[in-house]
Amino acid sequence: AAGVIQSPRHLIKEKRETATLKCYPIPRHDTVYWYQQGPGQDPQFLISFYEKMQSDKGSIPDRFSAQQFSDYHSELNMSSLELGDSALYFCASSLGGAQSDTQYFGPGTRLTVL
Amino acid sequence: DQQVKQNSPSLSVQEGRISILNCDYTNSMFDYFLWYKKYPAEGPTFLISISSIKDKNEDGRFTVFLNKSAKHLSLHIVPSQPGDSAVYFCAASPYNTDKLIFGTGTRLQVFP
Repeated sequence: AAGVIQSPRHLIKEKRETATLKCYPIPRHDTVYWYQQGPGQDPQFLISFYEKMQSDKGSIPDRFSAQQFSDYHSELNMSSLELGDSALYFCASSLGGAQSDTQYFGPGTRLTVL
Repeated sequence: DQQVKQNSPSLSVQEGRISILNCDYTNSMFDYFLWYKKYPAEGPTFLISISSIKDKNEDGRFTVFLNKSAKHLSLHIVPSQPGDSAVYFCAASPYNTDKLIFGTGTRLQVFP
């Protein structure tokens, strides 16, 4: 079965650069979530979209923005990168934006900021 | 402030025995709970969930127990298999939202 696809899988950037992470949800899934997992930490919720509208927002820095497109894929844009942005970024998708709709996670994008 | 806590960073269990992973939470607004398993270089994989109207949910070898008064849940795996070796995350979702608040994870090792 098709899973959540994230690209790129690995990304190396310098401080103050920008990065764009992409997420392709499971086909027919209409909800996308972004999580950030720092080294040795638990995943932290950043932001979510349901039917192309932002549905919830967590601890996402103002330097980050995200959107969901008409084909339901999502992009996380990160500007003025800082060393502390180095982390694993997971995207998850679900069918429906309800609490009980299971979130299926992608393999993650490992961002390293030098 | 860690709202979901897994106080045991690691657990080692013999194959065939029961594995019990524990999770505590502080926010009384949480009413939906999940367990995810994570292998290195992969995203979390959903295992099992439970809503606050239940105190037990079972799926094959996996059973989740919820004690709302103690704000505690546990995952039982029986019998444990070497392929169960992974990091297990407990997650909770507040009322009327779908975002997940994760615990810090417990690394389970099942040895032959």
